[in-house]
Amino acid sequence: AQSVSQHNHHVILSEAASLELGCNYSYGGTVNLFWYVQYPGQHLQLLLKYFSGDPLVKGIKGFEAEFIKSKFSFNLRKPSVQWSDTAEYFCAVIPMDSSYKLIFGSGTRLLVRP
Amino acid sequence: DTEVTQTPKHLVMGMTNKKSLKCEQHMGHRAMYWYKQKAKKPPELMFVYSYEKLSINESVPSRFSPECPNSSLLNLHLHALQPEDSALYLCASSFVGNEQFFGPGTRLTVL
Repeated sequence: AQSVSQHNHHVILSEAASLELGCNYSYGGTVNLFWYVQYPGQHLQLLLKYFSGDPLVKGIKGFEAEFIKSKFSFNLRKPSVQWSDTAEYFCAVIPMDSSYKLIFGSGTRLLVRP
Repeated sequence: DTEVTQTPKHLVMGMTNKKSLKCEQHMGHRAMYWYKQKAKKPPELMFVYSYEKLSINESVPSRFSPECPNSSLLNLHLHALQPEDSALYLCASSFVGNEQFFGPGTRLTVL
């Protein structure tokens, strides 16, 4: 079955530390890839997306992600986190032969300490 | 307008009540979705409408009944719910295969 794995369920960092959240998916065909963020009490927002082209994509708020096709990975990075980055982060995939189904990973809860 | 709106924000209902959740978007998206999200969990897909036709029902109990009156509106009719149905219900919309835009959700409590 198609699935998305996020390796880190809880991450605690101090401000200015670097962030990398892992995401792997199990699907051999073409996929569209996404990272969503859910700040406390707020709705899901798109951080960034990858459809094709340059595998290093930049999103909002200084986030970026790298698609490595050979590793089926789409890891999220930020060089220097802020307290305001405290949130739940979800990796998600749309397999292009099932274009409606957004398959979410289990999420990573990030806590940034001031 | 890049917003998905949902009403109400909060809903408390008894197990014998009938209520409806509403969702609206004006981005021209022809795919609309209902998700259920429990605390500290990712959203779970319930229904997908494409061009106002139900295209996916993820084996959702019949006490949840979706409706898509037109390309901008999506409803979820609720009847005889159980306490375990208490959750955040999210609506989303998209162009097919593209990023989904999520609404703020309706926090549902079933007593």
